[in-house]
Amino acid sequence: GQNIDQPTEMTATEGAIVQINCTYQTSGFNGLFWYQQHAGEAPTFLSYNVLDGLEEKGRFSSFLSRSKGYSYLLLKELQMKDSASYLCAVIDSNYQLIWGAGTKLIIKP
Amino acid sequence: ETGVTQTPRHLVMGMTNKKSLKCEQHLGHNAMYWYKQSAKKPLELMFVYSLEERVENNSVPSRFSPECPNSSHLFLHLHTLQPEDSALYLCASSQADRAGANVLTFGAGSRLTVL
Repeated sequence: GQNIDQPTEMTATEGAIVQINCTYQTSGFNGLFWYQQHAGEAPTFLSYNVLDGLEEKGRFSSFLSRSKGYSYLLLKELQMKDSASYLCAVIDSNYQLIWGAGTKLIIKP
Repeated sequence: ETGVTQTPRHLVMGMTNKKSLKCEQHLGHNAMYWYKQSAKKPLELMFVYSLEERVENNSVPSRFSPECPNSSHLFLHLHTLQPEDSALYLCASSQADRAGANVLTFGAGSRLTVL
């Protein structure tokens, strides 16, 4: 079967750095997404990786290793507004989107 | 405001009721989706309309019935639901491109409670 694993919940301190991991076992790979979802709001697109390496976008970076079936989302200079759930999703060989259950990130002052 | 609008935002219904969820997108996208989001579970794709053709998900019970009258509007008709159908129902749209990444734009969801 196909599977995406993410930690259920993480806690970090305002101003710090946090890394949210995502490991996947899927039938093929055609890209990986990260979405952010604040409570009661729509998930919003953060990043897309299809090649190995690090993609940086302001305070947020996303890393991919296809050989290890692994990605992480790195959030720097954490702000209280970064408290949200972070969803990892992989496009498989049939171009179907396989979702993880999401990681709830709690930021403390 | 994402450009995808869902109504109602909250809905409480009995198991014998019939109701509908509505989704409208103002982005000019050619594909629309219904997802079910339950606590601590991955998003479940229910239905896809791409270029106005419906892609079935055989695991969705027949008490859920989608309708896509045009590329901007999507409905989910609900009847004789069960308490386990209580969840957040998310609508999304994208510019479908089979060869690449279809970035989904989501609505804020309709929170459904079945009593």
